[in-house]
Order: sequence, then C-alpha cells, then structure tokens
Amino acid sequence: AQTVTQSQPEMSVQEAETVTLSCTYDTSENNYYLFWYKQPPSRQMILVIRQEAYKQQNATENRFSVNFQKAAKSFSLKISDSQLGDTAMYFCAFTPTGAGSYQLTFGKGTKLSVIP
Amino acid sequence: DGGITQSPKYLFRKEGQNVTLSCEQNLNHDAMYWYRQDPGQGLRLIYYSQIVNDFQKGDIAEGYSVSREKKESFPLTVTSAQKNPTAFYLCASSTFGQGNRNIQYFGAGTRLSVL
Repeated sequence: AQTVTQSQPEMSVQEAETVTLSCTYDTSENNYYLFWYKQPPSRQMILVIRQEAYKQQNATENRFSVNFQKAAKSFSLKISDSQLGDTAMYFCAFTPTGAGSYQLTFGKGTKLSVIP
Repeated sequence: DGGITQSPKYLFRKEGQNVTLSCEQNLNHDAMYWYRQDPGQGLRLIYYSQIVNDFQKGDIAEGYSVSREKKESFPLTVTSAQKNPTAFYLCASSTFGQGNRNIQYFGAGTRLSVL
C-alpha cells in the first residue's frame, strides 16, 4: 500500500516571496507519477504539476517547480514570486504506472496563505 | 467547453433517505472516480470505473453505490447505510492515453449535509 505524508498542515508566505511545501511518500513501486494539486477556496481541484518517477529532471511549470528525490522518496513543491491567488490547500498525490493502476493516493494537504 | 459537471452543488439528506450525486463528463475519458473529502483530510477514494458497466470499490465504499451505464456518466448514491455522509464529494475522470494517463481532472464538487 502507498502512503503520502505532508508534514506541514499550515504555512504562510509574504507576497512575492518563495515558499516550499514538503511531501514524502512510501511505496515499493519503481515506476509511478507524483502530482501536486491546488484546491482554492472555491474547492475546485486544479492540477499544478506532475513528475514521472523515471525522469531525473525536476518538473517546472512557470512559477512552480518540484524537487524530486527518488531515493529519499521526497517530492517538494516550490512556489516562486508568491501571489495572492496562490492561497489554497495544496495536496500531494501518488499513483503507480502499472497496468490497471489508476488510483490516486493523496496526502492530507497543506494550507498555504499568501500575505499581502 | 470540455469538463466535468457535478450536480447539485449543495444537497441535504434526511435520516433513512438515499440521495444521488450526479457526475457527467464530456472529455471522452474512459475512467471516472468518486472521492470523499472531510475537514483536515485528504481525498479518499470511494469507487472508480475504468470502462462502462464495470466499477471497483475504493478504500471507503461501504454505504455507497455507483453505476456506469454510459461513458459520460458516473452517478454516486449515498445510501441510508452510510451513517456519516456529511462531507464534500468530488468526481474526477482520466484518460488511458499515453502521456496523459493518470492525470485526473476534477469537477467542482457537491457538499452533502444531513438534516
């Protein structure tokens, strides 16, 4: 069974600053995907970024980037130049890539507040 | 616009009543999912379906039922056997396509409360 742990229930950051959200996971799988989803106050879940485990290069999407450490089973999200619209719950999620594997396992989330 | 539509946005259930949450997608996705979200918790999988007329239980299926008669639709019924149904329910879908597989797209959710 897979588990995903987000050790920071709440974080805050000043507008325009950089913040890093932590995520660790436990799995015996060798091939898998990792995701960060954002859930703003509207509660719509929005995909922020995806990382494939077999790729060594860290994924980047505009102001969002990850630090993927496969051996340490760590997958942190860095948000640069934080904006007020980044205020949301952030969820780390895992799914194996084997045939028939489509389930996402989520962490409990980190509530991020961007302060003006 | 392509997307996932959940209805209603808010739903109230009386004791002993079954209620059905609707989920429709026009993304031509094969797989669909139902999740439950409680305060301070991540999303927990209730049921999922990879193809029409087939579905599997997730981690917390007790007290829930689903059907998948059409590719576009995956309704969730919260039965009277579910003793603590108050939660936020999210529907998602994903494709089997290489490269985009495993990316789940979500609807806006349904908030269910008990009267």
